[in-house]
Amino acid sequence: SQQGEEDPQALSIQEGENATMNCSYKTSINNLQWYRQNSGRGLVHLILIRSNEREKHSGRLRVTLDTSKKSSSLLITASRAADTASYFCATDNWGNNNDMRFGAGTRLTVKP
Amino acid sequence: DGGITQSPKYLFRKEGQNVTLSCEQNLNHDAMYWYRQDPGQGLRLIYYSQIVNDFQKGDIAEGYSVSREKKESFPLTVTSAQKNPTAFYLCASSSPGQGYYEQYFGPGTRLTVT
Repeated sequence: SQQGEEDPQALSIQEGENATMNCSYKTSINNLQWYRQNSGRGLVHLILIRSNEREKHSGRLRVTLDTSKKSSSLLITASRAADTASYFCATDNWGNNNDMRFGAGTRLTVKP
Repeated sequence: DGGITQSPKYLFRKEGQNVTLSCEQNLNHDAMYWYRQDPGQGLRLIYYSQIVNDFQKGDIAEGYSVSREKKESFPLTVTSAQKNPTAFYLCASSSPGQGYYEQYFGPGTRLTVT
C-alpha cells in the first residue's frame, strides 16, 4: 500500500514562480526522500531529510519535515520549464530502508 | 559510465505467456529492487534483494518471480499468474554504504500484455 500522499496532484505555474508540493505519510520513519520523474523515465533522487531534521536545502530545493504532523513539503524556487516533471515523496516503511513507500506524485508543469 | 540498464524499453506479449525483464547495474551496489508503476500512481515494490542468492517479497509479489545469481543482475519474470501485468516496470539499486537510502533507478520497461 502507498504510504506517502502528495498534494496537489497537479500544479501549473509560470517560469520564475515558486512551486510548493506537500507530502503526508502514515507510519514512523527514519527518513523521507523526494524524487523526480520525467515522463516515461526512471526516477532521480533529489534530496533526503532525516527524521531528526526539520529543514534541508539543495540548490533551488528546500525541504521541510514535520514529524508531529507526519508531513513534508518540497519548495522549488525560481522554477524553470526544465523543472516540468512528476515529483514523488518516499518514506521507509517502519524503518525498513529496503521497503520504500512512494506516493502518487505531484505533476508539475512550468510554463515558459 | 556507471548506472542501471533495463531492457527492452518496450515489450509486448500475449496473455498467458511468461516474460522476463532484464536489469543490470555496474554501480557495485548490493541491494536491488523492482517496482511497478501504473498510470498516475506511485511506485509499488514487487521484490527486493539485499545480497546475492537472497530476495524478499514486497507489497505486490504475487504473479512475479525474481532471481539474484549475480550481484550485477536482478531479472524479473512476469508470470501468467499476474492478473494485470500491463504496467511500467522500474528497477533500482542502492548501496549499504549509504544505508540503503538513495535509490538509483533504471530507465524502465513498459510492458503491454494483450
